[in-house]
Amino acid sequence: GAGVSQSPSNKVTEKGKDVELRCDPISGHTALYWYRQRLGQGLEFLIYFQGNSAPDKSGLPSDRFSAERTGESVSTLTIQRTQQEDSAVYLCASSLRDHQPQHFGDGTRLSIL
Amino acid sequence: DQQVKQNSPSLSVQEGRISILNCDYTNSMFDYFLWYKKYPAEGPTFLISISSIKDKNEDGRFTVFLNKSAKHLSLHIVPSQPGDSAVYFCAASGFNAGNNRKLIWGLGTSLAVNP
Repeated sequence: GAGVSQSPSNKVTEKGKDVELRCDPISGHTALYWYRQRLGQGLEFLIYFQGNSAPDKSGLPSDRFSAERTGESVSTLTIQRTQQEDSAVYLCASSLRDHQPQHFGDGTRLSIL
Repeated sequence: DQQVKQNSPSLSVQEGRISILNCDYTNSMFDYFLWYKKYPAEGPTFLISISSIKDKNEDGRFTVFLNKSAKHLSLHIVPSQPGDSAVYFCAASGFNAGNNRKLIWGLGTSLAVNP
């Protein structure tokens, strides 16, 4: 498809388990962003990639969160030892370059039991 | 510390009338502003943007106005259509102290356009 693709669309897991969320950006987009949206809240920035380097990780809430990106393509966001407060929709976006409008995927809805 | 504020969580208008969504910001370093629309269970979709060197940008039924002295921007939708019913997010972009460009989001305004 031509848009940003995220998988899985829904994930339910037990507290303490690790989860891995995947994002396939639009081909050719050098910038990739991860956001989190908790229920009733706005978008919370997590991390930004330019190519496969992450110049801005300032939004990662704890060291349980990490992200990688392969070249200018797929990115994975990993949450270790999940907690209930990690329950949220995790959104990925990409843009042709930094400072360009971002194109979003439909998100992964993560529920921690 | 909400740097981008959308003070109206919801707005209801009649089909055919004008919808005006407001956004206030506190950081004078923001130089680029965007509006996104979000339907349930979908990611936000870029709608329209404006650079700080302009005070108006128009795209079809959508117009964004920027008042830098008041640190205020607004999105006008005219005429409003039922399909415009969605959550609208205002976002502002600028460099932070670490020289990284950041995009700061408002909490959104839920617009309902009634037939």
